[in-house]
Amino acid sequence: GAVVSQHPSWVICKSGTSVKIECRSLDFQATTMFWYRQFPKQSLMLMATSNEGSKATYEQGVEKDKFLINHASLTLSTLTVTSAHPEDSSFYICSARGPVSYEQYFGPGTRLTVT
Amino acid sequence: GESVGLHLPTLSVQEGDNSIINCAYSNSASDYFIWYKQESGKGPQFIIDIRSNMDKRQGQRVTVLLNKTVKHLSLQIAATQPGDSAVYFCAENSGGSNYKLTFGKGTLLTVNP
Repeated sequence: GAVVSQHPSWVICKSGTSVKIECRSLDFQATTMFWYRQFPKQSLMLMATSNEGSKATYEQGVEKDKFLINHASLTLSTLTVTSAHPEDSSFYICSARGPVSYEQYFGPGTRLTVT
Repeated sequence: GESVGLHLPTLSVQEGDNSIINCAYSNSASDYFIWYKQESGKGPQFIIDIRSNMDKRQGQRVTVLLNKTVKHLSLQIAATQPGDSAVYFCAENSGGSNYKLTFGKGTLLTVNP
């Protein structure tokens, strides 16, 4: 149980385009989802927290107009990187938490490369 | 031995040895801590957790020790195997109703056969 999937697992896009990453909780209802970014050989950095049906809360330094997060249902959250630039190339990881558990379940990550 | 690289501390051990990975956390008010294992190109995998009202918790081949006085967390892996090679992160609950996690720097564990 407690499986989180991400799609796509990797994506290459051209500079200036937008790309959407999906995060799904497959066997539980995720009231809260988190989006992280991880650069090579570095730790996970929290970008934003989203609760179903509410606007996402962004961490300091994360541009909310550039990283659009939608959590429209209890099983799906999306992260859209708008007007992507090469410096946005990174490993994006989502996690999900159910309504009664404090444990976060992580997705497999999405490798974004902006050329 | 243990060394600090440009970004990621590393620990190299021989197969069968015990490994100890250390972590210093930042928030004295944190009440929940987790250790994750991350293999290359994958998401973090839960290993073991501990709440602040405990100082030790054991799992299968793993033990987590918590020292709140010095804000230190450690992960002990018994009889380390090549499959244990990965990056290990500690994470602390940053507080609040959403249980946000703050991750430590991570340690790259390499197990030599």
